[in-house]
Amino acid sequence: SAVISQKPSRDICQRGTSLTIQCQVDSQVTMMFWYRQQPGQSLTLIATANQGSEATYESGFVIDKFPISRPNLTFSTLTVSNMSPEDSSIYLCSVQSGTSYEQYFGPGTRLTVT
Amino acid sequence: GEDVEQSLFLSVREGDSSVINCTYTDSSSTYLYWYKQEPGAGLQLLTYIFSNMDMKQDQRLTVLLNKKDKHLSLRIADTQTGDSAIYFCAESIGSARQLTFGSGTQLTVLP
Repeated sequence: SAVISQKPSRDICQRGTSLTIQCQVDSQVTMMFWYRQQPGQSLTLIATANQGSEATYESGFVIDKFPISRPNLTFSTLTVSNMSPEDSSIYLCSVQSGTSYEQYFGPGTRLTVT
Repeated sequence: GEDVEQSLFLSVREGDSSVINCTYTDSSSTYLYWYKQEPGAGLQLLTYIFSNMDMKQDQRLTVLLNKKDKHLSLRIADTQTGDSAIYFCAESIGSARQLTFGSGTQLTVLP
């Protein structure tokens, strides 16, 4: 299994500011994803982070609001831009290697926007 | 379209078996997953099953898949208080690796 870390683990941010969340994996992985879990809700996929190219966003999520970088096969960042209280959620990255269908999740970043 | 449904709550007595159910609508589901989320924690992959399998067993966990009825279940034998958590089922469709999650089932284990 992959060991995934996320930074920060939690943050409290003011409305209108931006926060960049980092996801680091201990091995090279093919697929990296970003999910959002709103309070008391299930997980919703934000985007697939593609190495060396632009991320692929799901319906309802746009690059201007959630820019994503993936400079290599072990690291990705998600930025939550121009935050509002509705962005208060847990943001999780997940990874999957090319030869396996096991998908692992990071510990999550708990974001509160005031 | 993609839709994964679970009942929201389940309570069992310690030592009993728990059965958590999940239904999905897309017949193209390739893999189906069970995750566990404890309070304040991330998601722990418990097990997953390929869509051409009927059953998978791993220690106290048994996964049953009825592809005809699009029904997936997770049975936990000898349920312990440490099993109290939210359990999510999820599916991947075709060759895509993205997961669609159910709403989660809150399992409460009573002493």
